[in-house]
Amino acid sequence: NAGVTQTPKFRILKIGQSMTLQCTQDMNHNYMYWYRQDPGMGLKLIYYSVGAGITDKGEVPNGYNVSRSTTEDFPLRLELAAPSQTSVYFCASSYLEGANQPQHFGDGTRLSIL
Amino acid sequence: QQPVQSPQAVILREGEDAVINCSSSKALYSVHWYRQKHGEAPVFLMILLKGGEQKGHEKISASFNEKKQQSSLYLTASQLSYSGTYFCGTASNYGGSQGNLIFGKGTKLSVKP
Repeated sequence: NAGVTQTPKFRILKIGQSMTLQCTQDMNHNYMYWYRQDPGMGLKLIYYSVGAGITDKGEVPNGYNVSRSTTEDFPLRLELAAPSQTSVYFCASSYLEGANQPQHFGDGTRLSIL
Repeated sequence: QQPVQSPQAVILREGEDAVINCSSSKALYSVHWYRQKHGEAPVFLMILLKGGEQKGHEKISASFNEKKQQSSLYLTASQLSYSGTYFCGTASNYGGSQGNLIFGKGTKLSVKP
């Protein structure tokens, strides 16, 4: 039972570089989410998806892109890394609408941009 | 609108009780509670839906007061394993962007022997 798997666990990027954070789930969940967590600030929603082929912006989408070609995978793309994107990124999933369903989180990706 | 959690931090001795509060300025459909240990992922504790039903999970329970748009998490006879940061997440409606959770800044709970 893998649940939600994120790769890589740690990464250091230089300003202006690009990278993709990978997220996959094996629970056949329809809804998937990307959050960022900064110290003392809680979790902020970046993007979410209600199913394959459908994505939408969350609270803090600027500087990020997503795609959802399959039910299992929901990668997050940083095109031009900036120091403000240094954070811990969590991917999560829920079976149905997140308002009344538990969300299952991956272990996170710790990203530093220097 | 980000919900406000109080207190920001609390230190307990094993066996003591604690209450963590979560308040919103918006009408709420649901309140979620998660616990996160240092360096780990948040873990789901419980959901409370509009209707004010109190829920329980071992020695951890919660209530939701719709009129006040407040939820409280009750930890009784605390154990060392309860240490971590507790987050509430609120949804103002079911469906669409309003069904997404907005998380509070967290309450750090430390349980000492």
